[in-house]
Amino acid sequence: AQSVTQLDSHVSVSEGTPVLLRCNYSSSYSPSLFWYVQHPNKGLQLLLKYTSAATLVKGINGFEAEFKKSETSFHLTKPSAHMSDAAEYFCVVSEGPGGYNKLIFGAGTRLAVHP
Amino acid sequence: NAGVTQTPKFQVLKTGQSMTLQCAQDMNHNSMYWYRQDPGMGLRLIYYSASEGTTDKGEVPNGYNVSRLNKREFSLRLESAAPSQTSVYFCASSERAPGHNGYTFGSGTRLTVV
Repeated sequence: AQSVTQLDSHVSVSEGTPVLLRCNYSSSYSPSLFWYVQHPNKGLQLLLKYTSAATLVKGINGFEAEFKKSETSFHLTKPSAHMSDAAEYFCVVSEGPGGYNKLIFGAGTRLAVHP
Repeated sequence: NAGVTQTPKFQVLKTGQSMTLQCAQDMNHNSMYWYRQDPGMGLRLIYYSASEGTTDKGEVPNGYNVSRLNKREFSLRLESAAPSQTSVYFCASSERAPGHNGYTFGSGTRLTVV
């Protein structure tokens, strides 16, 4: 069965410093992977997705993620944090190959950005 | 461009009361989902509907029922609310293969059962 593990429940950075949110996945198939962001008291917004094209995926607001099959990782990065990046981030894996698949969510990483 | 609309946004219930959470999407998506979000647990799938006329259980279906009223609407019913159902509920929709484009989420319903 597919699963996803977010290695940090909380990450704290200073404004202007790099962001790294770590995600490992387990999948029997070539997975589709996503990062979603949730700002306080809001719904979830898609940041970026990997669907077997380029391994380095660029998303909105300067975020990017690299799919590393050998490490079963899909870490989210941003070169310079902004105060508005403070939110909860979810790594998500698609359940199976092709056709209809449910999405499986990690437990989330809460990102705090300090001035 | 409404996307996915959930009602109500907030609700307080007494133990044993019933209620229905409503969800509608205007993107002509085939598949719809209900998730609950609890601190430290991410989102857990309650029920989903792969297409109009079908519904299936997800990871945590106990205590809930659903109805796919038509292609646009997917409701979640709590027949006899319990404090353990205090949570934030999200409805989502997708094209037939969410593995390619992910989900579009509603803004959530914050439910408290006392």
